[in-house]
Amino acid sequence: GAGVSQSPRYKVAKRGQDVALRCDPISGHVSLFWYQQALGQGPEFLTYFQNEAQLDKSGLPSDRFFAERPEGSVSTLKIQRTQQEDSAVYLCASSPGVNYGYTFGSGTRLTVV
Amino acid sequence: GQQLNQSPQSMFIQEGEDVSMNCTSSSIFNTWLWYKQDPGEGPVLLIALYKAGELTSNGRLTAQFGITRKDSFLNISASIPSDVGIYFCAGPPDSGGGADGLTFGKGTHLIIQP
Repeated sequence: GAGVSQSPRYKVAKRGQDVALRCDPISGHVSLFWYQQALGQGPEFLTYFQNEAQLDKSGLPSDRFFAERPEGSVSTLKIQRTQQEDSAVYLCASSPGVNYGYTFGSGTRLTVV
Repeated sequence: GQQLNQSPQSMFIQEGEDVSMNCTSSSIFNTWLWYKQDPGEGPVLLIALYKAGELTSNGRLTAQFGITRKDSFLNISASIPSDVGIYFCAGPPDSGGGADGLTFGKGTHLIIQP
């Protein structure tokens, strides 16, 4: 597609449930980023992929968070045993190279109840 | 870690007015980026600044990279209803070369009264 596509748009999970969030980057984009945006805050960096390699995961808040991009295109952010504090919008962004001109998706709003 | 402070937090203005907002940091940034986020959407890049003192325009938007490299300003002239949204400043970490995540401010919420 023309833009970065994220699914689902909304997800409600019961505390303790595992969730998987999907990101389809712009075709051919090498770089892929995941960000977490809490209500009323700016996005916070979670992790970065260059093709299939996860080069930076320093922003992942705990070992319950895991991201993968096995074929260098679609990426999945998985959160195990969700907690209420995980409630946020999860944004994915991609760019054609190693630069800051990247395109964000519309995000997945996760609500943990 | 690095933090970006944006002000004001929110602005209520009349259509047609000019808008000015700023972003400051306690540490030096080598790149400043300004994004706009509409409800239910991801941020969209408005302007990128790469050199201290740089002044860049994009239509009615003008942004400046402060001389000290610790601040940046965004101005919007003759505001229109579609300017409503949240404006974020952002920058890469000290060692940033494009492959690192950005640090974002908390945003300035712009509300325009017709």
